[in-house]
Amino acid sequence: GEDVEQSLFLSVREGDSSVINCTYTDSSSTYLYWYKQEPGAGLQLLTYIFSNMDMKQDQRLTVLLNKKDKHLSLRIADTQTGDSAIYFCAEKDSSASKIIFGSGTRLSIRP
Amino acid sequence: SAVISQKPSRDICQRGTSLTIQCQVDSQVTMMFWYRQQPGQSLTLIATANQGSEATYESGFVIDKFPISRPNLTFSTLTVSNMSPEDSSIYLCSVLGNFNEQFFGPGTRLTVL
Repeated sequence: GEDVEQSLFLSVREGDSSVINCTYTDSSSTYLYWYKQEPGAGLQLLTYIFSNMDMKQDQRLTVLLNKKDKHLSLRIADTQTGDSAIYFCAEKDSSASKIIFGSGTRLSIRP
Repeated sequence: SAVISQKPSRDICQRGTSLTIQCQVDSQVTMMFWYRQQPGQSLTLIATANQGSEATYESGFVIDKFPISRPNLTFSTLTVSNMSPEDSSIYLCSVLGNFNEQFFGPGTRLTVL
């Protein structure tokens, strides 16, 4: 079945770039998403990318997609304390209605 | 983007009771989803609720335990029945946007004693 994998933890220094990685197994994935979940809060859709794109940039966020390797990354430039959260990678294919989530990567920021 | 609200935002319930969670969307949507997020875990889809039809449940979830209503295109309810401590989770409502974005509500944090 489909699977989405992420590393569980990432620690970066404030002001540095954070890169959160994700791999997925479904070769028919059409939509790939990044969500942010702050403590005690719901999921915020940060950005998403279609499988026919290699890159998407939105302010401090850059998403890179390597479809051949089924690898997705989220880069956060100039990481701030407000970026501390759990980041979930998720994928969906065009025929399915449900999204498959990764386990989430907990990003912590050190001074 | 869709704006989604849920009630209650949190509750503490006794074992054996039931809780109904409401989800309201600010626009008409065809597909609504209910997810569960157990403590420290990722999200698991419970069921898909389309207006005018029975909800479709994922493996491991049954209608008797999680009855769902979808009376119109902006509202849905999820009931957690005969609760046990294992049902303690965050329950999230979600809708599909026009461009396949999927938006989530703020969640209902349920604790069962």
